[in-house]
Amino acid sequence: GENVEQHPSTLSVQEGDSAVIKCTYSDSASNYFPWYKQELGKGPQLIIDIRSNVGEKKDQRIAVTLNKTAKHFSLHITETQPEDSAVYFCAAASGSARQLTFGSGTQLTVLP
Amino acid sequence: ETGVTQTPRHLVMGMTNKKSLKCEQHLGHNAMYWYKQSAKKPLELMFVYSLEERVENNSVPSRFSPECPNSSHLFLHLHTLQPEDSALYLCASSQGVSGGGRQETQYFGPGTRLLVL
Repeated sequence: GENVEQHPSTLSVQEGDSAVIKCTYSDSASNYFPWYKQELGKGPQLIIDIRSNVGEKKDQRIAVTLNKTAKHFSLHITETQPEDSAVYFCAAASGSARQLTFGSGTQLTVLP
Repeated sequence: ETGVTQTPRHLVMGMTNKKSLKCEQHLGHNAMYWYKQSAKKPLELMFVYSLEERVENNSVPSRFSPECPNSSHLFLHLHTLQPEDSALYLCASSQGVSGGGRQETQYFGPGTRLLVL
């Protein structure tokens, strides 16, 4: 089955700096890669996703890049703000899979 | 809010108790999911329902019993739990169930924080 590894487990950045979180996956058939943000006391919320037919997707300050050859994808947050502080999860799934496989999460702290 | 609600938000139970977790989605979705989230571990999928029919059961102990009476409601019945079952239990829904070459975006509820004493 699929295995997703996520790094780093914790990340602290100064407000205004960029943050990058990386994930690798094992199943070359995976073709869907969502990113979720989980704030304290809340469930995970989808912030961006990418499918394997594109290499990059942007939504304002958030971008995701995908390298299918190397089997890794990354989340980029620019101009970080204190409200970006949360746990971020990556996930991967193949078209035939009924389930997402999640990474173990990254606790992002944006220091004012 | 995501349109997925869960009750109760917090639950403390003894190992001999029976309790139920409730999930309701207001999105008109046809698929619903139960996940377990433990500290420092990835989310673990427990059950998947599509149009009230269970389509996935990830080797979950029988002390967890799901019920899906209709496409808007999902329950997780708990009995004789163990302390290691303490975790955040998350419900999610999607338009359809993933598979067959298509992946559906899942929307999560806020979770029920369960403590088993």
